[in-house]
Amino acid sequence: GGIITQTPKFLIGQEGQKLTLKCQQNFNHDTMYWYRQDSGKGLRLIYYSITENDLQKGDLSEGYDASREKKSSFSLTVTSAQKNEMAVFLCASSMDRGNTLYFGEGSRLIVV
Amino acid sequence: GDSVTQTEGLVTVTEGLPVKLNCTYQTTYLTIAFFWYVQYLNEAPQVLLKSSTDNKRTEHQGFHATLHKSSSSFHLQKSSAQLSDSALYYCALSDRNTGNYKYVFGAGTRLKVIA
Repeated sequence: GGIITQTPKFLIGQEGQKLTLKCQQNFNHDTMYWYRQDSGKGLRLIYYSITENDLQKGDLSEGYDASREKKSSFSLTVTSAQKNEMAVFLCASSMDRGNTLYFGEGSRLIVV
Repeated sequence: GDSVTQTEGLVTVTEGLPVKLNCTYQTTYLTIAFFWYVQYLNEAPQVLLKSSTDNKRTEHQGFHATLHKSSSSFHLQKSSAQLSDSALYYCALSDRNTGNYKYVFGAGTRLKVIA
């Protein structure tokens, strides 16, 4: 088995601030994902990475940057936090396409 | 584009009664994997069921689902709901063969089981 660890669990920042969420996995999975979870809107893909140093934009990438410098880690940066971006951000990984996605517990972004 | 539709936002059922959560899809992928994920309060989503075989029933933890390509559906069912089943459920699909690594999720259905 393995685990996905997201830090921090709560990220509080001011409007306009650049904020970074981190994700670590020890499954040794190649593919990693960042999703945004909003009530009633499901899980929307922000960025994904199919291998170290690879980055692919999802459907909701505007306003976000990502970084995959190591196979085990995947970071997401909110470039300029806005109050309407308050949500839970979920990191996930999978061995390959079509395989089970494993999720972290999420990081809640609060913009004041 | 590809999409997954879960028709109800909230399903409330009495303990001991059957429950069905609907999931239909549209996709251009030819070889597909389907998933049901469950997310309990303050926990990570976790896989409940997975299937890629047409007309084959898949079961886990008392839940079952059958992929029906003819009707583009993968509904989740349980014959007797338990209070502990209260959670958020997501239906999802993923392409297995082409270069597309995206997973497509439905909007989620919140299941509330009452005594």
